[in-house]
Amino acid sequence: EDKVVQSPLSLVVHEGDTVTLNCSYEVTNFRSLLWYKQEKKAPTFLFMLTSSGIEKKSGRLSSILDKKELSSILNITATQTGDSAIYLCAVESNFGNEKLTFGTGTRLTIIP
Amino acid sequence: SAVISQKPSRDICQRGTSLTIQCQVDSQVTMMFWYRQQPGQSLTLIATANQGSEATYESGFVIDKFPISRPNLTFSTLTVSNMSPEDSSIYLCSAGGGRGGYNEQFFGPGTRLTVL
Repeated sequence: EDKVVQSPLSLVVHEGDTVTLNCSYEVTNFRSLLWYKQEKKAPTFLFMLTSSGIEKKSGRLSSILDKKELSSILNITATQTGDSAIYLCAVESNFGNEKLTFGTGTRLTIIP
Repeated sequence: SAVISQKPSRDICQRGTSLTIQCQVDSQVTMMFWYRQQPGQSLTLIATANQGSEATYESGFVIDKFPISRPNLTFSTLTVSNMSPEDSSIYLCSAGGGRGGYNEQFFGPGTRLTVL
């Protein structure tokens, strides 16, 4: 059974700090890893990673995949209160059926 | 990216009744998915809604409890049948972006269901 584990489960930091969120996975036939931000109900797409070592960046957020270590990290620099959310990691396996397995998420709280 | 709408956005229902949730995508997509997110939990896939055939259900979910329709490439419904308080959750539909053959799934705004 595919498994995705995120750490830490929750994190509280002050505005301006830099945070690193972790995701590790055990899946058969890995295809891609995705990061989402969930503030209220709907997760919003952040990144999709398919190749090891290639950093994806969007503003203050960046992410990288390590296929050897079966893991990914999501970095957020100069955090703002608007970054407070649950960050979800998901993995797609089994070419063609597009199913995602989600981790439990990391709840990030930014204190002003 | 696909834009996905869902309705209702929330509902409060009585035990034993059924609720149908609608999901509309602004473009044709091959795959649509239904997820459940129970309080404090992550997303759990209920089923894949296939156009023109029966939905494919994940372990622990059955068609009698969660019947799904997929009449065309832009629309799907999920019914939560004979509800109990344990069905109180956020229900989310998603669709694959399919760019370059990879699955950037985009989510609808979700339906928050409370069963009394």
